[in-house]
Amino acid sequence: NAGVTQTPKFQVLKTGQSMTLQCAQDMNHEYMSWYRQDPGMGLRLIHYSVGAGITDQGEVPNGYNVSRSTTEDFPLRLLSAAPSQTSVYFCASSWRTGEAFFGQGTRLTVV
Amino acid sequence: GENVEQHPSTLSVQEGDSAVIKCTYSDSASNYFPWYKQELGKRPQLIIDIRSNVGEKKDQRIAVTLNKTAKHFSLHITETQPEDSAVYFCAASSNNAGNMLTFGGGTRLMVKP
Repeated sequence: NAGVTQTPKFQVLKTGQSMTLQCAQDMNHEYMSWYRQDPGMGLRLIHYSVGAGITDQGEVPNGYNVSRSTTEDFPLRLLSAAPSQTSVYFCASSWRTGEAFFGQGTRLTVV
Repeated sequence: GENVEQHPSTLSVQEGDSAVIKCTYSDSASNYFPWYKQELGKRPQLIIDIRSNVGEKKDQRIAVTLNKTAKHFSLHITETQPEDSAVYFCAASSNNAGNMLTFGGGTRLMVKP
């Protein structure tokens, strides 16, 4: 099992560009989520999904879109990148209650 | 929504000493409290968790205690080793928030040999 796979690992964007961060899991987990990690601020929830076709906003959703068309995939879209979105992004998946498994992270820099 | 506070933000101990990290949470409906360890440049990984129907849980050198009345929980690491050096995050989740985790700000633990 690969677990949770994120791509890319590193990305540099210019202000105003758009991109999609990919996340896939092979554990048949119902729940998937996206977090951003900034120095000294822990991990903050961006968007989450409790099943295919169902998504909801987390603590810091502005500037990001998600969709969940399959159980396995949960892509995160940056609509118009801003320097404030420079961060490390983690995707996670879990059963309804229990351990969240994280992907290896995507380090995004917006210049 | 849920708010999780974590202290201290940095902790330096001598190898062999104990380390204690404390967290408080605000949502009385929270019922799951995991602790994650994150090494530099790596993903967070679960080291121990506790549910609200349990007051204490232990796994070798690591233990977690939960006080639901006071809404705080703590991580205890005994006989610390240099490989324990990392950033530790506490988190809380409840059914009210789709079981999503709210994280504390993290504690950088440094174990000096």
